[in-house]
Formats: sequence, structure tokens, C-alpha cells
Amino acid sequence: DGGITQSPKYLFRKEGQNVTLSCEQNLNHDAMYWYRQDPGQGLRLIYYSQIVNDFQKGDIAEGYSVSREKKESFPLTVTSAQKNPTAFYLCASSMAGTDNSPLHFGNGTRLTVT
Amino acid sequence: AQSVTQPDIHITVSEGASLELRCNYSYGATPYLFWYVQSPGQGLQLLLKYFSGDTLVQGIKGFEAEFKRSQSSFNLRKPSVHWSDAAEYFCAVGAGDMRFGAGTRLTVKP
Repeated sequence: DGGITQSPKYLFRKEGQNVTLSCEQNLNHDAMYWYRQDPGQGLRLIYYSQIVNDFQKGDIAEGYSVSREKKESFPLTVTSAQKNPTAFYLCASSMAGTDNSPLHFGNGTRLTVT
Repeated sequence: AQSVTQPDIHITVSEGASLELRCNYSYGATPYLFWYVQSPGQGLQLLLKYFSGDTLVQGIKGFEAEFKRSQSSFNLRKPSVHWSDAAEYFCAVGAGDMRFGAGTRLTVKP
């Protein structure tokens, strides 16, 4: 079955360490997205990529970095510069070139930094 | 810039009662509008979407939504709520980089 896989489901890190969240899709979608979810704030866009080797900052990109070396993969690195990294992170994908394409979501990674 | 407002943070309804979740959007052109549902600790699932045409759209699980351009609204409705509908609901407006509302948590009373 086609879908989006985020791993791991739970991740624990010490403050000051960088951590990379994995996102893989086999839907043959061109576009991929990273959202952060905090209680009461909905989903906020971190980064998105419409095509391989290209990506754009979303609303809250500071303290995060991404890469898009393969169509199937869009890893997110939470750096030590991110002041409040503890959150639920959601990866999504969609068909590019169609503004009305809905997003398909993974099941998320819950990151806890202490 | 596009944005979405969901005025109700939490709604409680009795099982079998009707439901309406509110959504207001801000968008410069014809909006592409979506409703998603999220169960605890999970990703989001698409309920329905509006692009153009008929302003009343049908979705999965018996949900429907009505687009009202004059009110910049896209409210979600269901005639009779089931206990399994308890979840968080998100309205979104999108054009390549989708923006979401803060969500409405639905509790269903037996």
C-alpha cells in the first residue's frame, strides 16, 4: 500500500543535540511538507519542497533544516538553535503542480527534548 | 496571506445530535478549502474538499460542508453524530503551501 512513513514514532533527545526526523513516501508525489503541531495552535508549516533539490521556508523555519535529495525522502533536522523543539511533527505529501491537491499525512513523530 | 480561523476550540455534543463546526478563511483568490480529522497521536485524514462548482460538498463518514463566499466560511456539518466521531477537526486553505486552523476538538456524550 502507498503511504507516508515517519520514524521513529517517539524520539527523546537532550537539549543541545541536533536530531533528524525521517519521512519517506511511496506515493510518487512531487511535493512534501513538514508541519509542527502544538496544543491549541493547530499545524504550522516549517518547510516544504515542490521538487527534488529545492525547498522553501514555511512560517516557522528558524532552528530547522531540511534536504530533498530524493523524491521519496524529506528528512527534517531539528537543530540546537530551535528554542522549543518539543512537539508533534507531521510530514505530508501531495501531487505538485496542482494547487488543489490534498495532503496525505504520515502518523507523526513526537519529539521530546529535555 | 492565506489564513484560517476556527472559532471553537472545543465542542461537546450528544450522540445522535447534529453538528456544525465553524471555519472562516482569508484568501486573495478562489480558495481551495479542506477539512481534515485527526485521532489522538495520529496523522490527519481528509474528510472533504472544495475547489469550485457546487457550494455544498459531500465527504466521507457522512460529513458535508458548505462554502459561502460572502461570509468567507466553510462550515462542516453532520446530521447525526456517532461516538466514533470524537476527534480533532482541522479546516485548511491551500495553494501549494497549505495553512491550517487551530482545530476544534469534538467530544461526543453518550
